[in-house]
Amino acid sequence: NAGVTQTPKFQVLKTGQSMTLQCAQDMNHEYMSWYRQDPGMGLRLIHYSVGAGITDQGEVPNGYNVSRSTTEDFPLRLLSAAPSQTSVYFCASSYSHGKETQYFGPGTRLLVL
Amino acid sequence: AQSVTQPDIHITVSEGASLELRCNYSYGATPYLFWYVQSPGQGLQLLLKYFSGDTLVQGIKGFEAEFKRSQSSFNLRKPSVHWSDAAEYFCAVGANNAGNMLTFGGGTRLMVKP
Repeated sequence: NAGVTQTPKFQVLKTGQSMTLQCAQDMNHEYMSWYRQDPGMGLRLIHYSVGAGITDQGEVPNGYNVSRSTTEDFPLRLLSAAPSQTSVYFCASSYSHGKETQYFGPGTRLLVL
Repeated sequence: AQSVTQPDIHITVSEGASLELRCNYSYGATPYLFWYVQSPGQGLQLLLKYFSGDTLVQGIKGFEAEFKRSQSSFNLRKPSVHWSDAAEYFCAVGANNAGNMLTFGGGTRLMVKP
């Protein structure tokens, strides 16, 4: 199993550009999530999905869009990048909610100029 | 809404010394509690988790944590720190709902002196 994979590892964008961060898992997990990590703030939930076709907002959803057309993939779209979106983005997946262990990808480091 | 506080942003210990990282949480019901570790440039790896039962839980790499309901705490401990333990440690609380939302603390960066 590859686990949770993320691409790209690093990206530089200009303000206003759009891009998609890719996330895939091969563990047949129903639950997938996107977090952003900023210094001193831990990880904050952006969006999550409880199964194919079902998504919902987390703590910091503004400026981001998601969709879940398959169990395996959960892409995160930045519609119009802003410097405030400079961060490290982590995708995670798990079998279920609450007490289930979340498995994290290696992260995507995004710099918005 | 749940919240997690890790009071110590940085901690430095000598190799071989004992370690305790503090975590305080706020949650209305019985919490699901986790400790994750992040090595530089890496993703997060689960160290241990608590759901119910025995309040002292054992994890990987020789770590343990104790749940204290009266203090709303879930502190992480290790009796003897190794240089390879240098990393950032995150405490998190999980919600018992369909959202599978993990709320993380701000993290504690551990440095180990030789």
